[in-house]
Amino acid sequence: DSGVTQTPKHLITATGQRVTLRCSPRSGDLSVYWYQQSLDQGLQFLIQYYNGEERAKGNILERFSAQQFPDLHSELNLSSLELGDSALYFCASTPSDRDNEQFFGPGTRLTVL
Amino acid sequence: AQSVTQLGSHVSVSEGALVLLRCNYSSSVPPYLFWYVQYPNQGLQLLLKYTSAATLVKGINGFEAEFKKSETSFHLTKPSAHMSDAAEYFCAVSDSGGYNKLIFGAGTRLAVHP
Repeated sequence: DSGVTQTPKHLITATGQRVTLRCSPRSGDLSVYWYQQSLDQGLQFLIQYYNGEERAKGNILERFSAQQFPDLHSELNLSSLELGDSALYFCASTPSDRDNEQFFGPGTRLTVL
Repeated sequence: AQSVTQLGSHVSVSEGALVLLRCNYSSSVPPYLFWYVQYPNQGLQLLLKYTSAATLVKGINGFEAEFKKSETSFHLTKPSAHMSDAAEYFCAVSDSGGYNKLIFGAGTRLAVHP
């Protein structure tokens, strides 16, 4: 158990819908990263937040957005969903004193029908 | 830009045999390198990391990796495979942009046969 929690574990929805994925980092970790794992694209970095502020952006679609709240949990919002958005979405967090070691949550499996 | 190439999307070994998973990286600055393991229906677990200290890095579960700058490689090895090692393994490099995002290879699925 990495100490990073993600909810829900599974999500099934239809095209055009909007969903919210939630991540709670390890206690004391200020950085949260979101990654997408799909069969055709592999593991890709989406976005990073540090202490409530966006710090880095990767291959994140405009239909996707994220935020980190004062209690440090983070949410990834996916809207106007397409079949191709079906993937595993991982959250990771980083200890403030070892910021190259990321601890991953169990992931949320999103299926868009 | 940094990148990682994992040679061999599938590797199959017999129980007790040597495990060798290959990873080559591209980086314009000294890299931080990682190996992660993903068991079915689980998240990623860090096996080991290289952060410019010793070039031979020992990790969990008997795995180790050697950083070779001249070959831009960071291959993962284990002397004797166990059935429980069957999983997908990802090599990753830390982004040189200073924000530590991970850039992953495509992964290698390891099968262990009795």
